[in-house]
Amino acid sequence: QKEVEQNSGPLSVPEGAIASLNCTYSDRGSQSFFWYRQYSGKSPELIMFIYSNGDKEDGRFTAQLNKASQYVSLLIRDSQPSDSATYLCAVFQGGKLIFGQGTELSVKP
Amino acid sequence: DTGVSQNPRHKITKRGQNVTFRCDPISEHNRLYWYRQTLGQGPEFLTYFQNEAQLEKSRLLSDRFSAERPKGSFSTLEIQRTEQGDSAMYLCASSLGEGGQQPQHFGDGTRLSIL
Repeated sequence: QKEVEQNSGPLSVPEGAIASLNCTYSDRGSQSFFWYRQYSGKSPELIMFIYSNGDKEDGRFTAQLNKASQYVSLLIRDSQPSDSATYLCAVFQGGKLIFGQGTELSVKP
Repeated sequence: DTGVSQNPRHKITKRGQNVTFRCDPISEHNRLYWYRQTLGQGPEFLTYFQNEAQLEKSRLLSDRFSAERPKGSFSTLEIQRTEQGDSAMYLCASSLGEGGQQPQHFGDGTRLSIL
């Protein structure tokens, strides 16, 4: 079992729709969770992070955490073509980030 | 506030050569991390420093890989006797304090190509 798992996609949504990206993790003791966006050929860019169970909203982005289910998600409302990228879920463990393989998102005009 | 700076951006070298990459973190950040990323995968942790102390290096891929942060500021990652499989993007990140409460910010990376 991988430490952090994401569906690799691609996930395709029409412009204006809600994109839902999912991530599961294996270490029940994990406390901090991060979402990064990575455009092709570029480095990861932090979108948001979450520590507590429930929802955390930042503009069009909402992160959701369910520690009992070991599940983290990222919702992107009113998706735009500029949101097309790979979204990386990362879990902080033992002083370092453990990343999933990323989910490729394509937003179609 | 300048971001994390990595040099060079691209490195092309022949198999068997040694290469060294440099990372300058965000100025007040005391933690510095190295990751490697191959195509279609998420970044893979290699090692990290708090100031000049290397706190974990067990994930360095082999004894050909080494990293230093001699004065607690910039860091270097060296790969000796490069192999084809070393071709990847090498990413540096920094954070203010423990990364669990302080997010890590990445540089633009160094892309290594082994001929």
